[in-house]
Amino acid sequence: DIVLTQSPATLSVTPGDSVSLSCRASQSISNNLHWYQQKSHESPRLLIKYASQSISGIPSRFSGSGSGTDFTLSINSVETEDFGMYFCQQSNSWPHTFGAGTKLELK
Amino acid sequence: DVQLQESGPGLVKPSQSLSLTCTVTGYSITSDYAWNWIRQFPGNKLEWMGYISYSGSTSYNPSLKSRISITRDTSKNQFFLQLNSVTTEDTATYYCAMGFDYWGQGTTLTVSS
Repeated sequence: DIVLTQSPATLSVTPGDSVSLSCRASQSISNNLHWYQQKSHESPRLLIKYASQSISGIPSRFSGSGSGTDFTLSINSVETEDFGMYFCQQSNSWPHTFGAGTKLELK
Repeated sequence: DVQLQESGPGLVKPSQSLSLTCTVTGYSITSDYAWNWIRQFPGNKLEWMGYISYSGSTSYNPSLKSRISITRDTSKNQFFLQLNSVTTEDTATYYCAMGFDYWGQGTTLTVSS
């Protein structure tokens, strides 16, 4: 199975900061990488698909980049509603797998 | 608006079978997409369990071996998860999802005697 390693595990930030979350794959997955946000007691919400494709209804401060094994989710000027868990997921090969997540928390 | 809603027993005894239903509104499960079951364990680890495609083909996570079955009822626009021989390690929140895009709110399942 493809292993996705997310870093950092926890990111403590102040509203207004701009941040980058990393996801590294154990082998090349082309651009078959998707990002989700999950808030407490809610289901995951798709933020970015296929590494960099934006999703309707998702604020433009969220963007994704990368291909192959290294991917980044960027949040430009974090807002208080952005705090929570962020997961990456690959769909390049079966079984689809998820990273362990990055927790974005208030400093 | 597409909506998915999981339903299930909440509590199952070890060695029994678990059956969950995902009811879809706003989109036909025979039109397109893979219709997925995903679970999240205590501590947040996510596992993609398997899917049934819009055409009815299935694919399962090898980690679940022969314990899993995903079926559907197109007349009711529902799809189902069956997991046999459950153990306490199957305690999780179970989600159904349309592709990557839409997820249900999840149903919590506890395996305990």
